Amino acid sequence: NAGVTQTPKFRILKIGQSMTLQCAQDMNHNYMYWYRQDPGMGLKLIYYSVGAGITDKGEVPNGYNVSRSTTEDFPLRLELAAPSQTSVYFCASSYDSLRGSYNSPLHFGNGTRLTVT
Amino acid sequence: QQQVKQSPQSLIVQKGGISIINCAYENTAFDYFPWYQQFPGKGPALLIAIRPDVSEKKEGRFTISFNKSAKQFSLHIMDSQPGDSATYFCAALNTGNQFYFGTGTSLTVIP
Repeated sequence: NAGVTQTPKFRILKIGQSMTLQCAQDMNHNYMYWYRQDPGMGLKLIYYSVGAGITDKGEVPNGYNVSRSTTEDFPLRLELAAPSQTSVYFCASSYDSLRGSYNSPLHFGNGTRLTVT
Repeated sequence: QQQVKQSPQSLIVQKGGISIINCAYENTAFDYFPWYQQFPGKGPALLIAIRPDVSEKKEGRFTISFNKSAKQFSLHIMDSQPGDSATYFCAALNTGNQFYFGTGTSLTVIP
């Protein structure tokens, strides 16, 4: 199993451009999440999904959109990139609960480093 | 507003020493407290977790101590090794199923 795969690894965008961060998991996990990680700020939840066709906002959803058409894929869309969206983005998944319990931990991808200039 | 406060921001420990990282929270709706370990260029990985009905959980060299009345929990790494050098995040999950992460502690273990 590849686990959680994120692409691209790095990207530089100009202000106002749009892009999609890709996330795929091959563990048949129901639950998927997008986090952003900023220096000294920890991880902030952007959006999450409890299954195909169902998504919900997290702590910092403004400026982002998501979709979940299949169990495997959970892309994150930035429509009008702003410098405040410069960050490292992590996708994660878990099997049977948002709680990411010890028996069903959150599995993270290796991140996408995005710079908006 | 930071829901989970973590300290210290960075920590340097000699090999064989004890590393201690502390976290505090305010929201009593939190009911699950995991710790994550992150190496450079990688995503966080679950290290150990605890629920508030126990005061301590130990797995190998890693121990979580939990003080419900003080709303504090801490990670202890015994016999710290250079391979433990990483960033550690505490987290808390509320009954609304949202995780809140601490700001991270960069641990360096000197050989």
